[in-house]
Amino acid sequence: AQKITQTQPGMFVQEKEAVTLDCTYDTSDQSYGLFWYKQPSSGEMIFLIYQGSYDEQNATEGRYSLNFQKARKSANLVISASQLGDSAMYFCAMREGKTSYDKVIFGPGTSLSVIP
Amino acid sequence: SQTIHQWPATLVQPVGSPLSLECTVEGTSNPNLYWYRQAAGRGLQLLFYSVGIGQISSEVPQNLSASRPQDRQFILSSKKLLLSDSGFYLCAWERGYEQYFGPGTRLTVT
Repeated sequence: AQKITQTQPGMFVQEKEAVTLDCTYDTSDQSYGLFWYKQPSSGEMIFLIYQGSYDEQNATEGRYSLNFQKARKSANLVISASQLGDSAMYFCAMREGKTSYDKVIFGPGTSLSVIP
Repeated sequence: SQTIHQWPATLVQPVGSPLSLECTVEGTSNPNLYWYRQAAGRGLQLLFYSVGIGQISSEVPQNLSASRPQDRQFILSSKKLLLSDSGFYLCAWERGYEQYFGPGTRLTVT
């Protein structure tokens, strides 16, 4: 079964508008972490934001925020005021547990295109 | 500050040839290190991870192997490449819960 689901293979957004990228996850662990990464066409994976399962507030990093809904097992990424440089692949990921031996599982990704 | 290097950046190899990809990390000690592979248009597949020198865990049975001869060096190898080994190989190191990735190696097996 898929641990991380990203149902939007491709998304378009107008420059300066906000966009939400969906992510749902599957775990029976109480302790886990959720991540979002950006991969531009150059291929490098860039860490964007992290949310711990016990964090009471949604994580924010500049224009990025994570809409964490624990009961629904969703961790959507919200990008405000989109810029042309935001065009990239975006991956949602999860780590179950807390130890170094707990691997990170990545979703299939969503391709975001920002239109000028 | 910490940096992670990978080389080569691109590689074209014939089927059956050997492979050696190198990853090094600077600015940190005893990092957890990871090798991922990304097929075209797909997500990341974890291949190997290491929590210390000589300690390698394999996630996927395949014709690839990994070694960690030094604290900040992680090597991905193969004795005989297959066509299915083509892809984008990413090395990552870990701080806390976060993983930071290198620039990647694009491997094409012909």
